[in-house]
Amino acid sequence: IAGITQAPTSQILAAGRRMTLRCTQDMRHNAMYWYRQDLGLGLRLIHYSNTAGTTGKGEVPDGYSVSRANTDDFPLTLASAVPSQTSVYFCASGTGGTDTQYFGPGTRLTVL
Amino acid sequence: GQNIDQPTEMTATEGAIVQINCTYQTSGFNGLFWYQQHAGEAPTFLSYNVLDGLEEKGRFSSFLSRSKGYSYLLLKELQMKDSASYLCAVRDSNYQLIWGAGTKLIIKP
Repeated sequence: IAGITQAPTSQILAAGRRMTLRCTQDMRHNAMYWYRQDLGLGLRLIHYSNTAGTTGKGEVPDGYSVSRANTDDFPLTLASAVPSQTSVYFCASGTGGTDTQYFGPGTRLTVL
Repeated sequence: GQNIDQPTEMTATEGAIVQINCTYQTSGFNGLFWYQQHAGEAPTFLSYNVLDGLEEKGRFSSFLSRSKGYSYLLLKELQMKDSASYLCAVRDSNYQLIWGAGTKLIIKP
């Protein structure tokens, strides 16, 4: 693989269910990020990780959790999904220096 | 609060030039980014400005004025494939990116 991959591509989920969105990068970037993108709004940061073993909260962290056990993987978990979590979720990883962020293809999640 | 403003939508003609503006009010400034996002796809990096002035990269140029909290993205010789949304983002004092809602650019033949 090259770059960032996300899985699944799309998912329809019943409210109250638990869901983990997967993200893997092979660029050896230290920093990784999870965003959600909703129509008419800018990308909003959910959680981030500056390096393996550390995580931090972004602008909209409630209802989401993350872990960073190694450099490559950064899964996002919705413990009990709610309809307001319907969105497109993007994972990104960042270089050092200017920390340009490179995005995965996204996961389209619908919570009913 | 932190705020990034961009026009919601712009229309331009193939072969022409278009300027997309971005104004920002953030807690600190550590660089401004422009990304391109085609419908249904991921954002892709276009340009980065941290000092005042113009950065040119082929058909695309980006300008920054830190004192005015202002940037623009200039696209020359427009092609149909330039139809996309253009996202402005500022890295704040916490080194987090604050994103504008994006400008949808429609190119007409």
